[in-house]
Amino acid sequence: GAVVSQHPSRVICKSGTSVKIECRSLDFQATTMFWYRQFPKKSLMLMATSNEGSKATYEQGVEKDKFLINHASLTLSTLTVTSAHPEDSSFYICSARVTGHSYEQYFGPGTRLTVT
Amino acid sequence: AQSVTQLDSQVPVFEEAPVELRCNYSSSVSVYLFWYVQYPNQGLQLLLKYLSGSTLVESINGFEAEFNKSQTSFHLRKPSVHISDTAEYFCAVRMFHGQNFVFGPGTRLSVLP
Repeated sequence: GAVVSQHPSRVICKSGTSVKIECRSLDFQATTMFWYRQFPKKSLMLMATSNEGSKATYEQGVEKDKFLINHASLTLSTLTVTSAHPEDSSFYICSARVTGHSYEQYFGPGTRLTVT
Repeated sequence: AQSVTQLDSQVPVFEEAPVELRCNYSSSVSVYLFWYVQYPNQGLQLLLKYLSGSTLVESINGFEAEFNKSQTSFHLRKPSVHISDTAEYFCAVRMFHGQNFVFGPGTRLSVLP
């Protein structure tokens, strides 16, 4: 099946710094990618929908200035957590929709962010 | 809007016993249905999906789920579980013409020796 990678898998940063997480579709093109956040022992919550070449669409309650999303190519979307705080610590997961297929989506392995 | 309910947050079961993880959904439009499995500190892996056709779908590792439209359910079952099945299981729905998934809260399956 199709593969989605995330980098880094794990990152620890100090409060006030910014962290960039990459999501790549390795063997297919993804016009649309999604970013989810998973709190400990909780389900995934959609943060935003990232469309190649256009602005991301954020879910209600998600600060777009804090969680910057860039989808510059058909295989790469990035999520930057700006001025991170301990409450931003979480597991961030991306998924990518196969271009031309309405239902095929593949999830990345996730990135564990810890803000100290 | 869609919503997904997984009534059991935790399900402990002994090895080789059968298990059923329940999933109910609410939607005013037709949806696709999915089960994902998440092992500790890993991302989600698709276990099985219902798109159309036969209401009983199976995975390669012995799990099956049955779509019941009248009961708006998509329960996951396995006749005999293994220790390696210990994981978090998420039920999810997606609208026919939508893009993003709506996930249930998850069920932690713990298989005991």
